[in-house]
Parts: sequence; structure tokens; C-alpha cells
Amino acid sequence: EAQVTQNPRYLITVTGKKLTVTCSQNMNHEYMSWYRQDPGLGLRQIYYSMNVEVTDKGDVPEGYKVSRKEKRNFPLILESPSPNQTSLYFCASSLSGAKGNQPQHFGDGTRLSIL
Amino acid sequence: EDQVTQSPEALRLQEGESSSLNCSYTVSGLRGLFWYRQDPGKGPEFLFTLYSAGEEKEKERLKATLTKKESFLHITAPKPEDSATYLCAVQWGVNAGNNRKLIWGLGTSLAVNP
Repeated sequence: EAQVTQNPRYLITVTGKKLTVTCSQNMNHEYMSWYRQDPGLGLRQIYYSMNVEVTDKGDVPEGYKVSRKEKRNFPLILESPSPNQTSLYFCASSLSGAKGNQPQHFGDGTRLSIL
Repeated sequence: EDQVTQSPEALRLQEGESSSLNCSYTVSGLRGLFWYRQDPGKGPEFLFTLYSAGEEKEKERLKATLTKKESFLHITAPKPEDSATYLCAVQWGVNAGNNRKLIWGLGTSLAVNP
């Protein structure tokens, strides 16, 4: 089954304790992205990756890191989490396309609470 | 300012009562408009892509249309299982390259009562 898998689905942690949210896709997609979804603000892009070893900032990258060492994996790292990073996080992937307008497949989300 | 606005914010329908959701946008150089459905506790699920004014796409009880300023998602004879939040997203820019950077609307929360 084609899917984007995120882990963990839920996490409660404390300020300053480094954490990693993993994301894996089995569709051989070149493009991957991380979003956060907050009430009243909608989906906002954190980082994206056009392909292996190619990553770039989205709209709200502060406080986050990513890496793309393999095509299927795109982990999101919070080196020193703070309460304002409490949110619902989604990983997404899509095929690459000449016009860049391919629909994205989303994971089921990771709900992070930073105390 | 580039933005995407969805209306209404919330909509409650009786089963079988047809209606439309609106997504209006103010971007230059539209490259694609996407509709997604999001169920509670789930990630958005892709429904349609529309590329140019006048284009229409259908899937079961849903039909999406596009003009130069807005898109409509028409829901014909909805069923309770159509209850979800419907999100609209716009990709824009003459030289946007291949980044799937999108402007997302805040969504319309649809509830269909049996």
C-alpha cells in the first residue's frame, strides 16, 4: 500500500529535550516536505526536499532541522524544542514534475506537545 | 498580498441537501489549484487538481470548478460520510520552479446530518 508513515503519532516532552520525528514514504517520490498545522493558521511549510541531499527552508523553518540522506526518509529534528512548537505536524511527498504541480500524499500526522 | 480564502468556515447540511464550498485566491500566475479532504486525526487526502479557468473535475458526489478568481467544490446529495474538512491550496508564480510551495486556505468544516 502506497503510504507516508510518520512516527511517533503522539509525543509529550519537555522544553530543550532534543527529539526527532521520522517520515518514510514507499512511493519512490523525489519531493518531500514537512508542515505544521495550527488552528487559525492552517498548514504552513517548514522545510522541503527536492531530492536526496537537497533541502531548503519553507515558510517557518526556525527551530527545525531536516536531512535527506535516503530518498524514502525525511526526518524532522527539533534540537531544543520550545512550547511554541507545540503543534500537529505532517510529512508529505510527491512525484517530481516539470511544472511542479503534482499532488502531495500526506502522512497521518504527529501531535507534539512541548511543556 | 497573495492569499487563499475559503468560505464558509463551517457548513452543516442535511443528507441529500446539495451545496457548494468556495475557495477564492489572489495570486499572480496560478499554476494549479488543489482540493483536499481532511478527516479528524488524519492527514489531508488529495481530491482534485485544476490548472486553468473553465476546467472542471468530478468524483462521485463532488465536482470542482475553476474561474480566474475562485474555485467551487460542489457537493451533490451529500451523505454523512462526506463530513470532513475540505482544504484548498494554490500553487503560483511564473518561475516557481519545482518547489511544491503552496498557499493553503483554512478549510471549510462540513457536517452532513443523516
